[in-house]
Amino acid sequence: NAGVTQTPKFRVLKTGQSMTLLCAQDMNHEYMYWYRQDPGMGLRLIHYSVGEGTTAKGEVPDGYNVSRLKKQNFLLGLESAAPSQTSVYFCASSWDRENRGRMFRETQYFGPGTRLLVL
Amino acid sequence: SQQGEEDPQALSIQEGENATMNCSYKTSINNLQWYRQNSGRGLVHLILIRSNEREKHSGRLRVTLDTSKKSSSLLITASRAADTASYFCATDAVYNTDKLIFGTGTRLQVFP
Repeated sequence: NAGVTQTPKFRVLKTGQSMTLLCAQDMNHEYMYWYRQDPGMGLRLIHYSVGEGTTAKGEVPDGYNVSRLKKQNFLLGLESAAPSQTSVYFCASSWDRENRGRMFRETQYFGPGTRLLVL
Repeated sequence: SQQGEEDPQALSIQEGENATMNCSYKTSINNLQWYRQNSGRGLVHLILIRSNEREKHSGRLRVTLDTSKKSSSLLITASRAADTASYFCATDAVYNTDKLIFGTGTRLQVFP
């Protein structure tokens, strides 16, 4: 299994350009996440998905859109890139575990990251 | 929003010494997880401890959880140079299990 893969690994954009980051997982996980990581700020959740066809906003969703048309793929789009979106982007996926009628999110598996530089 | 905060922010030790890092959080949780990140890489899951557990071991790792103090600690025994990495705690929340909230991490440097 490849686990979680991200495309591309590195990209340079000019302000105002658009691009799409692709995340793919082959573990049949229901849940997928997009984070950004900036120096000294840990990981911040951008958007996430609890299943095919569903998306939800995370902590820092502005300036990003996502789509989950297929269970294995989660796309992150930047419609008009800004220098503030220079960051390292990580995708992750996870699954549920049931315990006494309640669902608990389990371990997240992370991709290798995409470094994005917006000039 | 709820956030795990690690302490210290940075830690430098010699090989063979133990490394202890702490995590504090704000609201009731279902579980707390620890992740490691090597420079330039994605995060790798180390260990998960549930809210009804107080201690958990995995190899050289020992995690404790004190829900009354809303804190956790990660102990790495007999550290090695290969343990050099950043370590993050992550918590879910009883009221919203859809996502994890990550702390800002502890940077561990282990000198040979």
